Amino acid sequence: DVKVTQSSRYLVKRTGEKVFLECVQDMDHENMFWYRQDPGLGLRLIYFSYDVKMKEKGDIPEGYSVSREKKERFSLILESASTNQTSMYLCASRDREWGYTFGSGTRLTVV
Amino acid sequence: DQQVKQNSPSLSVQEGRISILNCDYTNSMFDYFLWYKKYPAEGPTFLISISSIKDKNEDGRFTVFLNKSAKHLSLHIVPSQPGDSAVYFCAFVDTGGFKTIFGAGTRLFVKA
Repeated sequence: DVKVTQSSRYLVKRTGEKVFLECVQDMDHENMFWYRQDPGLGLRLIYFSYDVKMKEKGDIPEGYSVSREKKERFSLILESASTNQTSMYLCASRDREWGYTFGSGTRLTVV
Repeated sequence: DQQVKQNSPSLSVQEGRISILNCDYTNSMFDYFLWYKKYPAEGPTFLISISSIKDKNEDGRFTVFLNKSAKHLSLHIVPSQPGDSAVYFCAFVDTGGFKTIFGAGTRLFVKA
């Protein structure tokens, strides 16, 4: 089974801190994604990457950046955390056109 | 511009009965339609899909229906079980394949 591992399940950070969320997949997938999940809004795409060192903005990239230095690892960076970035963050990788495998999520609270 | 609407935030069903979850969409370019299931503290997991050339797909207790003329997608679970209690997201893949748009989710409660 494909495994997508997110390094932290729960994080609490202070406003203004730089935050790194790490994601690793073990099936050599080319495509990786970062979503955030908020009540009533579903899953919204922040950034995605279709190859090493390649990245594309999703629907809500403001306040975020990403890094993909190795195929298996896709990092989401909050440059200066704000309270409106308190959310559940989900990483996913994909092999087929639509076959997402999600990680377990990181619940980030910014205080 | 909301391309996908999952209008019911929650649904409560008795064990053994049918659960029907619904999504409406506006974009005619979607070519794959998916349902994901999410338990608390876990990531969503793929449940069932249907391509735009079909109107029905079955997998055990789960059946997905696609009505292209009405731009309506539904998931039927029969019979419903307490273990089906979760949040269900519909998801729509556009023709280009890179973007998947998710609905807001419906929380299903199946009462024993």
